[in-house]
Amino acid sequence: AQKVTQAQTEISVVEKEDVTLDCVYETRDTTYYLFWYKQPPSGELVFLIRRNSFDEQNEISGRYSWNFQKSTSSFNFTITASQVVDSAVYFCALSEGNSGGSNYKLTFGKGTLLTVNP
Amino acid sequence: DAGVIQSPRHEVTEMGQEVTLRCKPISGHNSLFWYRQTMMRGLELLIYFNNNVPIDDSGMPEDRFSAKMPNASFSTLKIQPSEPRDSAVYFCASSLRDNEQFFGPGTRLTVL
Repeated sequence: AQKVTQAQTEISVVEKEDVTLDCVYETRDTTYYLFWYKQPPSGELVFLIRRNSFDEQNEISGRYSWNFQKSTSSFNFTITASQVVDSAVYFCALSEGNSGGSNYKLTFGKGTLLTVNP
Repeated sequence: DAGVIQSPRHEVTEMGQEVTLRCKPISGHNSLFWYRQTMMRGLELLIYFNNNVPIDDSGMPEDRFSAKMPNASFSTLKIQPSEPRDSAVYFCASSLRDNEQFFGPGTRLTVL
């Protein structure tokens, strides 16, 4: 069975600090996808990134970066120079790979509440 | 482009009443998912459809919950009869073949 663990329930930082959100996953599949979603106080879920299991290249998008390491089954998310607007709950999620075009369900972690203080 | 549309955004009802939540997926997407979010259980998948056909409903809590997708642009999640423990935020999401799911704004359900 798939499982996603976000060990950090809450993190509080001061603006401009760097912060890393941890995500560890479990799956028996060799093909799978990993995701990060952001849920700001307004409640909607915002897609941030998707990685497939065959692509271990780290990715950077502005102040966001992601470190995917299959050897440790981790997909960590770093925000550089955090801002107050980054305050949100961040979810890591996992889905099985697919063939034939079918889409599979996401298994979410419990989320990490990030608070960035001015 | 319009994203996933859900209605109503908020619903307050009394125990025993029927509740119907509605979702319009992004045009062209072939999969639709219903999730429930609570403080205790986090985000959990209830059911998902592929090409309007239910594929996995193992997350549906019990027979009081039912979901339909009569066409590619509309889905409903019905709870009958509703109970206070059904109070949660219900999200609908849609995706195309590449697994990236886009979520609607959610329906906050309160059952008194």
